[in-house]
Amino acid sequence: DQQVKQNSPSLSVQEGRISILNCDYTNSMFDYFLWYKKYPAEGPTFLISISSIKDKNEDGRFTVFLNKSAKHLSLHIVPSQPGDSAVYFCAARYGGATNKLIFGTGTLLAVQP
Amino acid sequence: ETGVTQTPRHLVMGMTNKKSLKCEQHLGHNAMYWYKQSAKKPLELMFVYNFKEQTENNSVPSRFSPECPNSSHLFLHLHTLQPEDSALYLCASSQQKGRVLAGGPITYNEQFFGPGTRLTVL
Repeated sequence: DQQVKQNSPSLSVQEGRISILNCDYTNSMFDYFLWYKKYPAEGPTFLISISSIKDKNEDGRFTVFLNKSAKHLSLHIVPSQPGDSAVYFCAARYGGATNKLIFGTGTLLAVQP
Repeated sequence: ETGVTQTPRHLVMGMTNKKSLKCEQHLGHNAMYWYKQSAKKPLELMFVYNFKEQTENNSVPSRFSPECPNSSHLFLHLHTLQPEDSALYLCASSQQKGRVLAGGPITYNEQFFGPGTRLTVL
């Protein structure tokens, strides 16, 4: 049973508009959430994160929102750029003394010029 | 070299072969990880090493054998693999930050990934 779910395998957005990528999780023990971005033939690169005690974290064009009651987080990219086209993975970390990350299956974002 | 490097980038092996995957991190981190990514599946954690000690084995079959000789190098030794083991194998590293509060959880920085080794088992 997947504990971290990204239900949209793909998303297409026009350049300059907002991209919203969604992620749902089931385990209330997760204490930290991360978004990674992956280009073909490269490893995932860290994008932005949020602690479970916060509901929003912003870094430039990227904002992550966390709704703990709904066990839902989202990544907003605004404005979207063609170079943002990649696979985006949501990941969640168990609290405590471990750094074990549970990943979603990813969403392929295509930003159309 | 910077970041996390992995060799080889591509590997084709038969079921009776023995091969090794190598990972090296140049970030001064003290934790290293092996992940497996199969087609249309999420990344699955295989092994975790903290300060060269294995702290996590995520029910990985014994045909996969990790080795961490020092905090900069991580190997994954492969023997008698099956075709279903064909996947992208990713290495990652992170820095354990220590306990922010006495008795509290150990915190970590985010994990940095290598480019992966694409493994095909025939």
